Amino acid sequence: GESVGLHLPTLSVQEGDNSIINCAYSNSASDYFIWYKQESGKGPQFIIDIRSNMDKRQGQRVTVLLNKTVKHLSLQIAATQPGDSAVYFCAEREPGANNLFFGTGTRLTVIP
Amino acid sequence: DGGITQSPKYLFRKEGQNVTLSCEQNLNHDAMYWYRQDPGQGLRLIYYSQIVNDFQKGDIAEGYSVSREKKESFPLTVTSAQKNPTAFYLCASSEGQGGRAFFGQGTRLTVV
Repeated sequence: GESVGLHLPTLSVQEGDNSIINCAYSNSASDYFIWYKQESGKGPQFIIDIRSNMDKRQGQRVTVLLNKTVKHLSLQIAATQPGDSAVYFCAEREPGANNLFFGTGTRLTVIP
Repeated sequence: DGGITQSPKYLFRKEGQNVTLSCEQNLNHDAMYWYRQDPGQGLRLIYYSQIVNDFQKGDIAEGYSVSREKKESFPLTVTSAQKNPTAFYLCASSEGQGGRAFFGQGTRLTVV
């Protein structure tokens, strides 16, 4: 599969600020994308997903934006809290694929 | 309490030994996966299974083996042929192929 990458390997934000985590994908045919959160020593947890026929999807305090023109995915976290500190991964699914392809992740650190 | 259970949480292996990592799910999912995660890196696919009694190699299958005799169970054996087995191993399942994956809490394997 083609690579799924992240622009920033680390991100530090002040508590209460909004966070934006970016992801570039290279396969324009990918039809499904997911953001996961992974805390130290634990398995990844689902945050939010989006299909390629959508540009934006909102959850509780999180928003995922998909820009297919530039093959870019972002995760916005509103009012970032210390509990949001973790590594965030984006994953993509290529058409007909039997699994997801994961990027290397971005570490988010929330400063109290 | 539905989910994926991996055991053990920590595992130590001597050089030349085979070890088996357990993964059980009660989500009634058809598809199951094994990923390997190295420090500061993303998830790499070892093996996946779309249905009972069927499994396929992922990107880094050499030195590993799996079985899928029951829908709920997908054990991974790390054989002595795997030259660098120290890593964090994650099992996941999904309702459909390439769909939203639910992860276990991982097994950290260390070669001593």
